[in-house]
Formats: sequence, C-alpha cells, structure tokens
Amino acid sequence: ETGVTQTPRHLVMGMTNKKSLKCEQHLGHNAMYWYKQSAKKPLELMFVYSLEERVENNSVPSRFSPECPNSSHLFLHLHTLQPEDSALYLCASSQDSGGLAKNIQYFGAGTRLSVL
Amino acid sequence: AQTVTQSQPEMSVQEAETVTLSCTYDTSENNYYLFWYKQPPSRQMILVIRQEAYKQQNATENRFSVNFQKAAKSFSLKISDSQLGDTAMYFCAFGRGAQKLVFGQGTRLTINP
Repeated sequence: ETGVTQTPRHLVMGMTNKKSLKCEQHLGHNAMYWYKQSAKKPLELMFVYSLEERVENNSVPSRFSPECPNSSHLFLHLHTLQPEDSALYLCASSQDSGGLAKNIQYFGAGTRLSVL
Repeated sequence: AQTVTQSQPEMSVQEAETVTLSCTYDTSENNYYLFWYKQPPSRQMILVIRQEAYKQQNATENRFSVNFQKAAKSFSLKISDSQLGDTAMYFCAFGRGAQKLVFGQGTRLTINP
C-alpha cells in the first residue's frame, strides 16, 4: 500500500470515447498532481491542485479536463484523444507547506493509456 | 527555467558491484532541493534520496548516497552492493518552488545476477 491509488491500471480507448482516470490519496496531503510519462521523455507536469484549487496548468490541450472534488480525490477526464496521447499517466500528492519544495511527492502506479 | 540532464540512458552492472548514476542541472537559484526517484517495473515512483542545497554534507540512505557538487551543479547517485531489486528507471529531479519538480529523462539501470 503506497498511499496513492490510481484506477484503472490499464485503459484502451478509441479517439471518440470519453473516459476518466481516478486518483485517491490516503496520506492526508493537500496537493495533488497529474503527470504524463512518455517513452524517452522526462515526466511532464500537466496539472497541480493545492487545497482543491488548480494552481498550474502547463498548456495542456482541452481534451484533458481535471477535476479535484476534495483533497483526497483527483480525476482526469478524457475526450476525443489522439494516438499521441498514449502514455503512462501518473498521479502524485504532497503536503504543500509553501516555500521551498521540501515536501516530497508520493506517486501512484499510474494508468497505462492506449488511444487507438 | 530549470533543466535536469541525465546523460546515461542505460547502465548495466553485476550484482554486488557499485554503480554511479549521473545528473546535472541548470538553475540560477541558490536554495533548492534535489531528489532521486526509482521507478521499478511495477511503475511505482519511489523516493530514494533527497538533498537540500544549503547542506554541504552529502545525503546517505543505507546503500544509496549522493555526491552533491553545488558549484558544478552535479548530483550523482551511488548505489553500493547493488541488488537485483535495484533494477529500475532512476529519475533525478530538481525542486524549487512549492509543487514544482523538474525531472530528468531517466537512466535505465539493470542489475545482472
């Protein structure tokens, strides 16, 4: 048990489908993140939520829509994706105390997404 | 903007050997944190070790230690007495502001029996 749980582990979807990725943290943290991990590329930060408010959106296409209903849950809603969106999507959480990033980010095991 | 570079895409050593993974970064900041994360085949990203830039002493965590050279902006990870379970992708990361982590491209480490 790592404290950050992501579902589903694997997802295959067509370009016209609508699906959602779910992340849940049991660590009492107040910040949550979505990252995209593609082969041979550094992790790309997509969204950051702190105290349930979005604080960063790194120019992510609108076909990705995040939702953070409370501090323990984070969703990534997907619609009309492209094949190049196929990747591992990682969720993380941390205790955001402000200031320097001494707070450690804890990761889930990711959702492997394939867009056909 | 900060950047993190891992120049070794892949490394392979025999079990029980010592291996060093390289990481360099670029920043104009003076206070920051550096991290090494491990991602085994299970895909779970796990923190291995972290270093605070204002501390001169190199961080150690059991078989894992770092060589932090602030002036050179270098942050290498040494794994002593390597074990089969150390086989994983290793990511170096830079942290400055709250919530912001910048990751390197990763090094795939294989420990051979």
